[in-house]
Amino acid sequence: QVQLVQSGAEVKKPGASVKVSCKASGYTFTSYDINWVRQATGQGLEWMGWMNPNSGNTGYAQKFQGRVTMTRNTSISTTYMELSSLRSEDTAVYYCARGKPYGSGSYDAFDIWGQGTMVTVSS
Amino acid sequence: DIQMTQSPSSLSASVGDRVTITCRASQGISNSLAWYQQKPGKAPKLLLYAASRLESGVPSRFSGSGSGTDYTLTINSLQPEDFATYYCQQYYSTPRFGQGTKVEIK
Repeated sequence: QVQLVQSGAEVKKPGASVKVSCKASGYTFTSYDINWVRQATGQGLEWMGWMNPNSGNTGYAQKFQGRVTMTRNTSISTTYMELSSLRSEDTAVYYCARGKPYGSGSYDAFDIWGQGTMVTVSS
Repeated sequence: DIQMTQSPSSLSASVGDRVTITCRASQGISNSLAWYQQKPGKAPKLLLYAASRLESGVPSRFSGSGSGTDYTLTINSLQPEDFATYYCQQYYSTPRFGQGTKVEIK
């Protein structure tokens, strides 16, 4: 079935970087954008950016510009989100989510979500 | 950035009730609006997109309406499995979510 499977939980120290993976299966990997969304404990959802797995093009939320990098490996249908210069406020569950193309807009709703990866930033 | 204001932040309802959640955008978003349901410890689930289009497999008791800046999610005949937190999301421009509405059992 169509699914996104993410890598496991991470614990990092302030100032370090984390790289989360998101492996797609059950559909043509290069046909759908992948977005990254995070959620701090008890808080709402925050969009971080998107990647087009076909072209490698990316777009990042202004808040994360300069700290986030999204990449992909098409041979294994996997996208990656790397966040650097981690601080305690980055402690959250990070989700990848597939874009659902509809209409002519530049952005999409998100129809398939990964299970989430908990990233804890603590000294 | 387009801001999304969702209300109420929480509500209490009984099984069988009709529930309405609203979302207001800070500017027009041309129906580029999605609704999600999230249960504790789980990823969000897409319910509706393009303001009123029901995602495949979602029960028909969920419906969406609205235009311009104002949108509504309605749940007819609330079921036990519907107690969750609901989020709206605009994707007309840089995606942004509402603050969420927690639907609790009365």
